[in-house]
Amino acid sequence: QKEVEQNSGPLSVPEGAIASLNCTYSDRGSQSFFWYRQYSGKSPELIMSIYSNGDKEDGRFTAQLNKASQYVSLLIRDSQPSDSATYLCALEGFSGGYNKLIFGAGTRLAVHP
Amino acid sequence: DAGVIQSPRHEVTEMGQEVTLRCKPISGHDYLFWYRQTMMRGLELLIYFNNNVPIDDSGMPEDRFSAKMPNASFSTLKIQPSEPRDSAVYFCASSLVEGREQYFGPGTRLTVT
Repeated sequence: QKEVEQNSGPLSVPEGAIASLNCTYSDRGSQSFFWYRQYSGKSPELIMSIYSNGDKEDGRFTAQLNKASQYVSLLIRDSQPSDSATYLCALEGFSGGYNKLIFGAGTRLAVHP
Repeated sequence: DAGVIQSPRHEVTEMGQEVTLRCKPISGHDYLFWYRQTMMRGLELLIYFNNNVPIDDSGMPEDRFSAKMPNASFSTLKIQPSEPRDSAVYFCASSLVEGREQYFGPGTRLTVT
């Protein structure tokens, strides 16, 4: 089982709709969770951090964390074509004796007009 | 504030040549990370430093790869000799706290022919 699982997509949504991106993880000890956005040919850009169970909102973005069920999700309201990108889920994990960020493979989101 | 700075942005070299990638982390960040990203393997952590000291180099693929951080504002990743399978995008990232938010540089796209 991979440490961080994401559906590779593409997730296709119409402009104005809500895009829902999901991520599950295996390490119950993880305490910090992050969402990165990566446009094609660009570097990952941090868009959300979440540390506590529940929802965290920032503009059109809402991160949701459920540690009991080991999943974290990202909702994008009023999706725009400019949101089309790959979204990487990352979490703090203890691997090989070190505290690192463990990244998922990413979900590709396509928002069509 | 300036973000993470990497150079060069693109590098094309022939097999067997030495390649040196450079990184300047965000000022005040004590952690520096080198990642490699390919379509097949996604984002892989190669090595990371804390206060200029290498902490975990278990992701370095083989002895042809080496990394140094001579001071808090500069790090290099060297590949000698380079091989076509080293072709990838190499990212440098930095963070203030271990296991927390990491900020990525623009990356170096390496092509080895």
